[in-house]
Formats: sequence, structure tokens, C-alpha cells
Amino acid sequence: GQQLNQSPQSMFIQEGEDVSMNCTSSSIFNTWLWYKQDPGEGPVLLIALYKAGELTSNGRLTAQFGITRKDSFLNISASIPSDVGIYFCAGQLPAGYNNNNDMRFGAGTRLTVKP
Amino acid sequence: NAGVTQTPKFRVLKTGQSMTLLCAQDMNHEYMYWYRQDPGMGLRLIHYSVGEGTTAKGEVPDGYNVSRLKKQNFLLGLESAAPSQTSVYFCASSYSIQRRKSNQPQHFGDGTRLSIL
Repeated sequence: GQQLNQSPQSMFIQEGEDVSMNCTSSSIFNTWLWYKQDPGEGPVLLIALYKAGELTSNGRLTAQFGITRKDSFLNISASIPSDVGIYFCAGQLPAGYNNNNDMRFGAGTRLTVKP
Repeated sequence: NAGVTQTPKFRVLKTGQSMTLLCAQDMNHEYMYWYRQDPGMGLRLIHYSVGEGTTAKGEVPDGYNVSRLKKQNFLLGLESAAPSQTSVYFCASSYSIQRRKSNQPQHFGDGTRLSIL
């Protein structure tokens, strides 16, 4: 019921290209977050979105919270080699749902950037 | 600022052995979480705690126990390790919803890679 479908599973792109990935769900989420995970490290928060329709940028990264609250996308412009890693979307259920700040994760998008 | 620190970073166990993973955070966060990460899957919540002395089950709690005796520490225990528990374990923490009146991002440690033979 509260599963996140993240696509694509993997991407192989050339340095300088733009990247787009997205997450969809059949459930409504209150907050959408995007994390990046480098090998041997934990996920690091990239962008947090709190309002339906919100469009937020962090450098070359742009993410949007879907109007229906059931989806989100992340774009990376002008990719560079250090963008390599696994990107995870995460949705947080409404604060009153069970009050544990619960998150559901997508399965991740593995990004490879060729120099 | 250390953030979320997990120890150990790597461990190999034999089936049936027990061990405890330690998570420590220095951000004064009320909430703490333990996840496991398996290939091709997102992180799955094992147990969580919304405050000192309280714990609750997550999505995949079987075979694990937790304790939160101090606000800054959250321990994950495996009483009798099984090969199915081979995974990378992540601890995370966040401010409380009540304190900030909204959902709060979770901040992660660097993980503990656990192999059960």
C-alpha cells in the first residue's frame, strides 16, 4: 500500500548530460526527500520537499513534489563524475499517521557517469 | 560535529552467535531508527524509538531487539544470528514531529556491514 516505485533502476550517461529520475506511489505522502548514497557510506540528504507542487533546487539538483502528493522527481543538470552513486527517494507519511516520522524508501537509481 | 556514528563498521559472525550494534548521535535528536539495506531494495525499517526508554517495531523486526537507555544511543541486538540477517545496517536519527510541528528529515550513519556465515 505504501510502496514507492522508483525509476529507472540504473542509468549510464555521459559527463555533461542531464539526468531525470522519479518516484511514484499509490499512497499520499506528506513529505518527499531525495538522498544520495556513495559506496561504503550512508545516505546523505540532498533535498526535502514539504508542500505539494513545491519545486526546490540545490545547486545542479532540482526536485519537485507532485501535485497529487503521490510522486516526485529529481533532475541533475550537467552531470559530473562525482554524481556517481545511488539516489533514493523517500516519502514521509502525514505527521498524524503514527507520529514516528516514518519513511518509505524507493529501491534506488544507480547512476554511472562516463567521463 | 560527528552526526550519527555507528560501530562496528564491519563484522563477520557465525550462525547462532549474538552481537550488538551501537548507534550514537550528537544532534540531540529525539527519534532514532535502525534500517537494513539489501541489494536491489530500499532501506527497510527494523525498529525505531521516539524517545529514551521507548522502542517500537518497524517493517522487519523479527530476529532483532533494540534498546534506548540513553537519548543519544540506540542499540540493535541479534540474539542468534542467521544467514538471512547478512546485510548492511544503517542507523538514523531525526528531531521529533511534535517538537518541530512537521515531518523531519532523517540523518544517517555510514552503516555496519554484517556477514553471517
